[in-house]
Amino acid sequence: DTEVTQTPKHLVMGMTNKKSLKCEQHMGHRAMYWYKQKAKKPPELMFVYSYEKLSINESVPSRFSPECPNSSLLNLHLHALQPEDSALYLCASSGGAKETQYFGPGTRLLVL
Amino acid sequence: AQKITQTQPGMFVQEKEAVTLDCTYDTSDPSYGLFWYKQPSSGEMIFLIYQGSYDQQNATEGRYSLNFQKARKSANLVISASQLGDSAMYFCAMRASSGGSYIPTFGRGTSLIVHP
Repeated sequence: DTEVTQTPKHLVMGMTNKKSLKCEQHMGHRAMYWYKQKAKKPPELMFVYSYEKLSINESVPSRFSPECPNSSLLNLHLHALQPEDSALYLCASSGGAKETQYFGPGTRLLVL
Repeated sequence: AQKITQTQPGMFVQEKEAVTLDCTYDTSDPSYGLFWYKQPSSGEMIFLIYQGSYDQQNATEGRYSLNFQKARKSANLVISASQLGDSAMYFCAMRASSGGSYIPTFGRGTSLIVHP
């Protein structure tokens, strides 16, 4: 099973709202990732968790707050977002000898 | 630093024909992995194929094959017998190592359209 799940699929929020994106994998992978992707562009890395610890933060604004409650779950807490934060947010996990990344279906976020 | 270059912003192919999507890479790391992903309009990034830097054989997965030319630092994806469902964005990526985490570097992508 190479499934990564993400909820919700779509999210519309105002600039004063607080919301969370959720990601789950049951492949026993040690690393989990958050990406932001604009249309027709490659995904941009935001955060990497390795063994449940934040290992990489690609200078992401503090209005994005990641959390890794356990080895299977990854959350992204959103607060006071800007319209330019509207994008597809992808979660991924990787493991095994090849460290292949498997992606979830993504959350399409619209900030009004 | 790692770099992936995809020089074809868009490609068109007739259904049932083969198509090659280009990818060149640059790294100073002797051990690396190369990946291809497909992203349909639905948004999900789908893993297609992997090639390790020490693999002697070119990788194949069904209709997908990877033409790996290490000396030229190229890792082109070949899709045989194209189908309408192959229309999507295709990203080439390379695995790098940073502080114990493997961080893929993505190319800019190639948009493939398959015509009936």
